[in-house]
Amino acid sequence: SYELTQPPSVSVSPGQSASITCSGDRLEDKFVSWYQQKPGQSPIVVIYQDSKRPSGIPERFSGSYSGNTASLTISGTQAMDEADYYCQAWDSSTAIFGGGTKLTVL
Amino acid sequence: QVQLQESGPGLVKPSETLSLTCSVSGDSINNYYWNWIRQPPGKGLEWIGYIYYSGSTNYNPSLESRVTISLDTSKNQFSLKMNSVSAEDTAVYHCARGGDRMAVAGRYQPAWFDPWGQGTLVTVSS
Repeated sequence: SYELTQPPSVSVSPGQSASITCSGDRLEDKFVSWYQQKPGQSPIVVIYQDSKRPSGIPERFSGSYSGNTASLTISGTQAMDEADYYCQAWDSSTAIFGGGTKLTVL
Repeated sequence: QVQLQESGPGLVKPSETLSLTCSVSGDSINNYYWNWIRQPPGKGLEWIGYIYYSGSTNYNPSLESRVTISLDTSKNQFSLKMNSVSAEDTAVYHCARGGDRMAVAGRYQPAWFDPWGQGTLVTVSS
């Protein structure tokens, strides 16, 4: 079955840029979305179709690709950005989520 | 503002059927994809399936034999039934709206899931 691989954790200092990666076989052929989940809350979408940002999501969130790896970049990371982040793509007709990355803002 | 709210029993016995309902407010259910997504305690997200407003369904192959998602447009609700549950089905179950159809491998799928319901914990235990 198809898998999306994310690092379990990423740490960043406030004000710095954080990058969270998501890799998968032929991922460059698929659209990737990113979800943010804060403790005790439900996920919200922060990026969809690789790089589109929903209304209300700060401009510091951006999505990009390099080969078979998608990345979520948070520029000027703030304490409020500390959360779990999940990538998601469709493999044929099945929605697949990555295992999640815990972003810690130190 | 669209809001989704899950409801249903928080405890289900092994081998029995899990039944949950998602009530949608602030938008008509006569559009979009309506999804169920679960999250075992302390773990990641697993997509269960969706029902499109037209009534067509799409399930995760790993769960397809045990899952049914249905729509009740008169109540603006959709529901999940999962039979033959076991302890591995213990999770927080979220409902979520899916939108922005995009072509994927000859079919259309939602580009995003938003908003999500707050989730409801279902424990499978005797």
